[in-house]
Amino acid sequence: AQTVTQSQPEMSVQEAETVTLSCTYDTSENNYYLFWYKQPPSRQMILVIRQEAYKQQNATENRFSVNFQKAAKSFSLKISDSQLGDTAMYFCAFMKHGSNYQLIWGAGTKLIIKP
Amino acid sequence: KAGVTQTPRYLIKTRGQQVTLSCSPISGHRSVSWYQQTPGQGLQFLFEYFSETQRNKGNFPGRFSGRQFSNSRSEMNVSTLELGDSALYLCASTTGDAYNEQFFGPGTRLTVL
Repeated sequence: AQTVTQSQPEMSVQEAETVTLSCTYDTSENNYYLFWYKQPPSRQMILVIRQEAYKQQNATENRFSVNFQKAAKSFSLKISDSQLGDTAMYFCAFMKHGSNYQLIWGAGTKLIIKP
Repeated sequence: KAGVTQTPRYLIKTRGQQVTLSCSPISGHRSVSWYQQTPGQGLQFLFEYFSETQRNKGNFPGRFSGRQFSNSRSEMNVSTLELGDSALYLCASTTGDAYNEQFFGPGTRLTVL
């Protein structure tokens, strides 16, 4: 069975700083996807970034980038130039290829951006 | 294009009752997944439907069931409600054929008294 671990329950940084959220996972699968989702107080879950396991290049989306270490089973999210609107719960999630969209979730990290 | 909609947004029930939640996917999306979110257990996968067929099911008791209609709208039903069923229920939709991004609805907050 796959598991996803987020070891930081809560983090806070000043606006404009860079912050890194950690995620580790456990799987024996070789073909899978990893995701970071954001859930603001409005509760709407929003995809931040995704990574296909077969791709060695780390995914980036504007201010968001990941550090994917497949051998170490590590998938951290870096947010550069943090903004007040980045305040939210951030969830790391795993999906095995062919699992029909079954996401396995981490416990989440509450990120607070201070003005 | 309208997003994923879920109704109702809030619901209060008492133990022993049953409840039905509805999810309308984005137009053109044929896959709908359901998740339960609680402070204690976090986010857990309930089931996924594609073209009216349940393709995948999480580890939940038989009191949790779902279905999908020909227009891709989906419902989930919880019978004999327990206090522990209090949760935010999220649904997500996607095209369903090969990997595409899942889009989530705003959720239904169920409180069981």
